[in-house]
Amino acid sequence: GQNIDQPTEMTATEGAIVQINCTYQTSGFNGLFWYQQHAGEAPTFLSYNVLDGLEEKGRFSSFLSRSKGYSYLLLKELQMKDSASYLCAVMDSNYQLIWGAGTKLIIKP
Amino acid sequence: IAGITQAPTSQILAAGRRMTLRCTQDMRHNAMYWYRQDLGLGLRLIHYSNTAGTTGKGEVPDGYSVSRANTDDFPLTLASAVPSQTSVYFCASGLTSTDTQYFGPGTRLTVL
Repeated sequence: GQNIDQPTEMTATEGAIVQINCTYQTSGFNGLFWYQQHAGEAPTFLSYNVLDGLEEKGRFSSFLSRSKGYSYLLLKELQMKDSASYLCAVMDSNYQLIWGAGTKLIIKP
Repeated sequence: IAGITQAPTSQILAAGRRMTLRCTQDMRHNAMYWYRQDLGLGLRLIHYSNTAGTTGKGEVPDGYSVSRANTDDFPLTLASAVPSQTSVYFCASGLTSTDTQYFGPGTRLTVL
């Protein structure tokens, strides 16, 4: 079967750096997406990786290793507004997104 | 309209009733999707449409139907609601089926 694993919850301090990991086993691979979802709101797109390596976008970076079935989202200079759930999703061979259950990130002052 | 809209925002429904959730986008996206999101689970795909006039089944299609008469609208119908359909429903769209998906604000549905 297809599976996306990510930690259920993480806690970090304002101003610090946090890394949210995602491992996947899917039938085929056509890219990996990270979304942010604040409580009670819709998911919003953060990043997309299809080739190995690091993609940097301001305070957020995303890394992919296809051979290891592994990705991480790196958030720097954490702000209170970064408190949210972070969703990892893989596009499979049928171009359908397979979603992880999400990582709830709690930021403490 | 800007982006994707969904209606209603929330609804409480008696079991056995018929309900249509509406989704409209003005971005001229070809692909549209319906997901449900339940606590502790990832988003699950109910139905999708890669282009107007075509639809397909996702991971959890039973009890739901969709239509795609035009590019902009993608309604989701529950023919006879059951309590297990209590969930938050998100509509999403993408330029094509291989592109990034953008989400509507969601509909919170409670079936009693």
